[in-house]
Amino acid sequence: KQEVTQIPAALSVPEGENLVLNCSFTDSAIYNLQWFRQDPGKGLTSLLLIQSSQREQTSGRLNASLDKSSGRSTLYIAASQPGDSATYLCACRDDKIIFGKGTRLHILP
Amino acid sequence: DAEITQSPRHKITETGRQVTLACHQTWNHNNMFWYRQDLGHGLRLIHYSYGVHDTNKGEVSDGYSVSRSNTEDLPLTLESAASSQTSVYFCASSESTWTGEQYFGPGTRLTVT
Repeated sequence: KQEVTQIPAALSVPEGENLVLNCSFTDSAIYNLQWFRQDPGKGLTSLLLIQSSQREQTSGRLNASLDKSSGRSTLYIAASQPGDSATYLCACRDDKIIFGKGTRLHILP
Repeated sequence: DAEITQSPRHKITETGRQVTLACHQTWNHNNMFWYRQDLGHGLRLIHYSYGVHDTNKGEVSDGYSVSRSNTEDLPLTLESAASSQTSVYFCASSESTWTGEQYFGPGTRLTVT
């Protein structure tokens, strides 16, 4: 059974720093991995989708990598801003869609 | 622009009542999903559909049902609401069954008293 873990559960960093969020999964036979952002009381916004054949995807200040052999994905945020404060979730797609519980990120002004 | 809408956004109901949550998407996606989000559990899949008249059970389907009569809509019904079903419910859709990006609606906050 696929298990998806995100550590740490919460993270506070000063504005301007580069940071990395982690997502690990137990079964490497996935079709893709998707990163989302969720603001309090809101729905999920898709950030990046990495197919199983890809190693990374980039969008603006965000870069997501995927290493299926080690069961890990990372979301890199460059030059963090207060507006990046949110909960970040990863989800693995095999025959089901399994979400991690998220990392709550707070960027300190 | 294409979107997913959910209604109502907030609902309070009593134990034992039947409740239906609506989900409507204008992406013309074949695949639609219902999740619930709870503190400590994260997002869990309730039911999903890969096309009209197709429905499948997810991880936490007991007490819930769905039907798919057209591409745009996947209503979620709680047959007899229980306090354990108090949660935030999200609908999502994707174009491709296995590789598609998921797009989420804004959510419905349901309270069962």
